[in-house]
Amino acid sequence: DTEVTQTPKHLVMGMTNKKSLKCEQHMGHRAMYWYKQKAKKPPELMFVYSYEKLSINESVPSRFSPECPNSSLLNLHLHALQPEDSALYLCASCSLGQAYNEQFFGPGTRLTVL
Amino acid sequence: DQQVKQNSPSLSVQEGRISILNCDYTNSMFDYFLWYKKYPAEGPTFLISISSIKDKNEDGRFTVFLNKSAKHLSLHIVPSQPGDSAVYFCAASSTSYGKLTFGQGTILTVHP
Repeated sequence: DTEVTQTPKHLVMGMTNKKSLKCEQHMGHRAMYWYKQKAKKPPELMFVYSYEKLSINESVPSRFSPECPNSSLLNLHLHALQPEDSALYLCASCSLGQAYNEQFFGPGTRLTVL
Repeated sequence: DQQVKQNSPSLSVQEGRISILNCDYTNSMFDYFLWYKKYPAEGPTFLISISSIKDKNEDGRFTVFLNKSAKHLSLHIVPSQPGDSAVYFCAASSTSYGKLTFGQGTILTVHP
């Protein structure tokens, strides 16, 4: 299995809702990432988990809450989002056994905040 | 401060010809460089990479060239095919910091 899966593909939520994005990989990768991508822009790193521990938080607002329940799963909990948070949210994973940061991306969740 | 720059927002090429996508970087700590391809509504797909100890890496139709002194890399696609039409992102990494820094992307259109 050489893919990263993400659910749901699309999500529409109101500003008072609580929702979660899910990401799964079965490649044995021990680093997992959340990115946010706005239209016509490159992916922006949000969080990095290494060995199921949060290692990088790129000053992301607390309305985004990541969770790594095990080495295959990564969640992103959303609460009280703003319309400007509407974007494509990408999950990626990488093997920590190699020296370099060759990340494999999932298809993304298209989030719309009303 | 944009540490990785792709100065051409778009490139149009005829099928069968060479596509050359360029990327410049400013951070001397970067020691690994990657190219990703992205179709609309999909995640980026890894294409090819190069370590800073090399100046060329080839994989089928794709070749990446690195000029460390100029802090410049390029992706050559030969021959170009209509299915290559996508957004291409250059990314750079440092082994001391587990993070990819992406360029702004170049939209490649290959005409039949």
